[in-house]
Amino acid sequence: SQKIEQNSEALNIQEGKTATLTCNYTNYSPAYLQWYRQDPGRGPVFLLLIRENEKEKRKERLKVTFDTTLKQSLFHITASQPADSATYLCAPPVDAGNMLTFGGGTRLMVKP
Amino acid sequence: GAVVSQHPSRVICKSGTSVKIECRSLDFQATTMFWYRQFPKQSLMLMATSNEGSKATYEQGVEKDKFLINHASLTLSTLTVTSAHPEDSSFYICSARAHSANREPQHFGDGTRLSIL
Repeated sequence: SQKIEQNSEALNIQEGKTATLTCNYTNYSPAYLQWYRQDPGRGPVFLLLIRENEKEKRKERLKVTFDTTLKQSLFHITASQPADSATYLCAPPVDAGNMLTFGGGTRLMVKP
Repeated sequence: GAVVSQHPSRVICKSGTSVKIECRSLDFQATTMFWYRQFPKQSLMLMATSNEGSKATYEQGVEKDKFLINHASLTLSTLTVTSAHPEDSSFYICSARAHSANREPQHFGDGTRLSIL
């Protein structure tokens, strides 16, 4: 069955460092993948979409990579700030139905 | 930007009560709306997908008679939890997609925390 795995353990980093979050998927090949940010008690907010023919996508301090061979997407936040602290969700579509399936999310804590 | 408003943000009610949650797209027309359920420290689980003017498509294991969805217009979808019980307590989140293209991002409401006593 299709699986999406994100590191369930919180990632703690120091302000100013680069945070790298991992999303691995198995048993299927999504044509694209979306990343969302979710703050406690709030709904997710869309950040970036990367397509299978794109190796890398950037938006301000955010960078997403998509390695279809490794079946992995990496989400980077450079020059991290305490305000970046949140849970980050990866969401590839499920087959031809294109319904998004959300990973369990990784909680990022940026300490000043 | 695309804004989705979800109301109410929190509901506390007695077992057996039916609860209605509204999801509105404020500045765009939503061809498709989605309803999710999220337990603490877990991911969003899709409950159903609704398209304006047609019946909702429910995910496996979701009781359609328990969770009634109405998508009466391009800007409003409602989820009614009928005869709610304590096990229905959860965080319910709606989202809306502005275009029919599946790759379009979803815009989420801020969720409804439902507590059944």
